Amino acid sequence: GAVVSQHPSWVICKSGTSVKIECRSLDFQATTMFWYRQFPKQSLMLMATSNEGSKATYEQGVEKDKFLINHASLTLSTLTVTSAHPEDSSFYICSASPSGSYEQFFGPGTRLTVL
Amino acid sequence: GENVEQHPSTLSVQEGDSAVIKCTYSDSASNYFPWYKQELGKRPQLIIDIRSNVGEKKDQRIAVTLNKTAKHFSLHITETQPEDSAVYFCAASLGGGQNFVFGPGTRLSVLP
Repeated sequence: GAVVSQHPSWVICKSGTSVKIECRSLDFQATTMFWYRQFPKQSLMLMATSNEGSKATYEQGVEKDKFLINHASLTLSTLTVTSAHPEDSSFYICSASPSGSYEQFFGPGTRLTVL
Repeated sequence: GENVEQHPSTLSVQEGDSAVIKCTYSDSASNYFPWYKQELGKRPQLIIDIRSNVGEKKDQRIAVTLNKTAKHFSLHITETQPEDSAVYFCAASLGGGQNFVFGPGTRLSVLP
């Protein structure tokens, strides 16, 4: 149980294009999903908290117009990196929390490379 | 805001020995403390967690202790095996809610 999928697992795109990453909870409903960014050999940095049916809450320093988050259902949240640039290249990981639980279950991550 | 520190940053132990990783947190309102194991290129996996109303929790070779007064918690792995080699992250719930602040991680190497 508590499986989270993420798609795509890796993506290479040209500078200036937009990339959409999907995060799905496969066997539970998640009122809250989280988006993290992880640089090589570093910790997970929370980018935003995604709540179903409401606007995402962004961490300080994260541009909400650049990282668009949509949490349209209890099992799906999407992160769109708009007008991607090479400095956006990173490992993006989502997590999902079953309703009423503190636990977070992580997706496998998406490695984004912007050329 | 919450600040989580983790030590050591790297740890090498011989197979069969114990490993201890310590974390401190700053927000006294934090009440949930999970530990994650992340192998290279893979997702973080929850290995054990503890709530603030409990001082110790054990699951086979893994145990976590919490000292609320001192605001620190530790991960203990006994009888280490090569497959325990990974990066371990501690985390603390932000303000007692669902958001986590992660520690910087500890790279554990278990030498055969």
